[in-house]
Amino acid sequence: LAKTTQPISMDSYEGQEVNITCSHNNIATNDYITWYQQFPSQGPRFIIQGYKTKVTNEVASLFIPADRKSSTLSLPRVSLSDTAVYYCLVGDIGGYNKLIFGAGTRLAVHP
Amino acid sequence: GAGVSQSPRYKVAKRGQDVALRCDPISGHVSLFWYQQALGQGPEFLTYFQNEAQLDKSGLPSDRFFAERPEGSVSTLKIQRTQQEDSAVYLCASSFSGVLNQPQHFGDGTRLSIL
Repeated sequence: LAKTTQPISMDSYEGQEVNITCSHNNIATNDYITWYQQFPSQGPRFIIQGYKTKVTNEVASLFIPADRKSSTLSLPRVSLSDTAVYYCLVGDIGGYNKLIFGAGTRLAVHP
Repeated sequence: GAGVSQSPRYKVAKRGQDVALRCDPISGHVSLFWYQQALGQGPEFLTYFQNEAQLDKSGLPSDRFFAERPEGSVSTLKIQRTQQEDSAVYLCASSFSGVLNQPQHFGDGTRLSIL
């Protein structure tokens, strides 16, 4: 499974757009990119998943360049409730979905 | 509908005791996963079930850890002769199927403290 690298922490303010970039230089052809969010004392929650170009849902956007060696999770107009740990994961669509989490990015949103 | 439910939410045990942690997955979900999360770290995979079959237990740290899902729904993670290093949050997740493009739905975990 491809290894991912993302910043340990980020700070932002309410109303700003936050972009968290994840590097996955060894991503394989069959790999999808998935992001999870985790609040304290809760399990991770699926945010978004993509393979290439751009994916958008009601929560976030995911930008994936053509070489797919990195991806950027974009959170528009963050609020205090977006303070959480964000995990970037890369894995094969085949077989079963054994998630390999890194340490994630701790996002702190300030008033 | 109901999400993944785990019980108990908190468990305190003395070193050497056996513990059992329960997971009720979302109804109809074929795949069930157990993860262990140490403080300040991301979750680490323990084991995977497809229905009642345990297809991967490569992440179980020792033979003191045992998981079962006898009827393909509820699962139990058992830890025998607990040790202090077993203290962690144990997360259960389920998905409709096991492939990557099916998101995993996590419970809120059981926080295990070994004294």
